[in-house]
Amino acid sequence: QLQLQESGPGLVKPSETLSLTCTVSGGSISRSSYYWGWIRQPPGKGLEWIGSIHYSGSTYYNPSLKSRVTISVDTSENQFSLKLRSVTDADTAVYYCARHPDMDVWGQGTTVTVSS
Amino acid sequence: QAGLTQPPSVSKGLRETATLTCTGNSNNVGNQGAVWLQQHQGHPPKLLSDRNNNRPSGISERLSASRSGNTASLTITGLHPEDEADYYCSAWDSSLSARVFGGGTKLTVL
Repeated sequence: QLQLQESGPGLVKPSETLSLTCTVSGGSISRSSYYWGWIRQPPGKGLEWIGSIHYSGSTYYNPSLKSRVTISVDTSENQFSLKLRSVTDADTAVYYCARHPDMDVWGQGTTVTVSS
Repeated sequence: QAGLTQPPSVSKGLRETATLTCTGNSNNVGNQGAVWLQQHQGHPPKLLSDRNNNRPSGISERLSASRSGNTASLTITGLHPEDEADYYCSAWDSSLSARVFGGGTKLTVL
């Protein structure tokens, strides 16, 4: 059974870089029919798509975040990662990873707080 | 980023039928279809229906998804208390080359 697990610091200082990793278990990240993506949810708000990546390295990003986001993949570790630069308190959210395009498998989510 | 439009809230009685709507345009819902997600408080979202209106294994037959033009719909029949949750639609937008979400609908089962 495919499982996704997010990991990374729960607290990031303003202006610094948020870094998260999603580890895929129970299946290979290198299946050609899937992309792997990040979605976030600020406290009390709805879902916001951040971006997605194919194991080949092809990426798509939310236009509103594109200048600050990099998503990368490590097929040897069966992981993909998110970097969000120059964070502010508006980036405080629960961050989820999910298999795309239908988002049929999700991680449990990890809470990231931006605060000094 | 342009998103999809969902009513913020819908209230229905136990055992009634609720229809949730999601309106986009010809670049997203109209030609890409929409997925539907259910989220209970404190839990990750769960896929209820894929882009082709198919239910994943384990999803109740009381749920059905459809699309007419640029509007996707999720119908839940015979409402149960556990159907009370937030429901989100999402679609790929071919003009943005990005995925867009609706703002979510809070379904209350009275």
